[in-house]
Amino acid sequence: GQNIDQPTEMTATEGAIVQINCTYQTSGFNGLFWYQQHAGEAPTFLSYNVLDGLEEKGRFSSFLSRSKGYSYLLLKELQMKDSASYLCAVNYNQGGKLIFGQGTELSVKP
Amino acid sequence: DTEVTQTPKHLVMGMTNKKSLKCEQHMGHRAMYWYKQKAKKPPELMFVYSYEKLSINESVPSRFSPECPNSSLLNLHLHALQPEDSALYLCASSQVSTGNYEQYFGPGTRLTVT
Repeated sequence: GQNIDQPTEMTATEGAIVQINCTYQTSGFNGLFWYQQHAGEAPTFLSYNVLDGLEEKGRFSSFLSRSKGYSYLLLKELQMKDSASYLCAVNYNQGGKLIFGQGTELSVKP
Repeated sequence: DTEVTQTPKHLVMGMTNKKSLKCEQHMGHRAMYWYKQKAKKPPELMFVYSYEKLSINESVPSRFSPECPNSSLLNLHLHALQPEDSALYLCASSQVSTGNYEQYFGPGTRLTVT
């Protein structure tokens, strides 16, 4: 199977740091994406990792360990507008097909 | 222009109706996708078009019929749908379909089948 696992829900405080983990099956791995989706809106691209290490983009960073089948999305200096669903998606060399995790619903509280 | 547009925004149709969803992008992308998304679930891939040819059909029932008239347009023709087909239908595009390019999603069409 190609299960992508991530926590269902997380809660964090405004101004804090939160880490959303994602684990996946390593066989056939060809890249991992993180998307943000606000309720009722389309997913928007956050990051792409295909090599091991940390990719930093402003307040958001994403990490990948291919040998462990593990990624995380790190959100710093949380803002209320960061409340959204965060989707981990893996490409398994199937012509653009992405396998999505169930999404992590992040709630940012004042 | 990094926008994918979809029409209509909302659609209510009966089980005997025929309707079409439309998607358009002007980013020069050569891969386009249809996804179905139910509430509180991730998007599920339905179809992939690569260079205007259907490259992936995820065993979607024939009551859904995709069409790619040119490199900028993608349609999804609907006929004899069931109430369980009610969902958000998302279109996406990427530079090519090799899997290492981000997909840009449109705002979706919220479909209700009565």
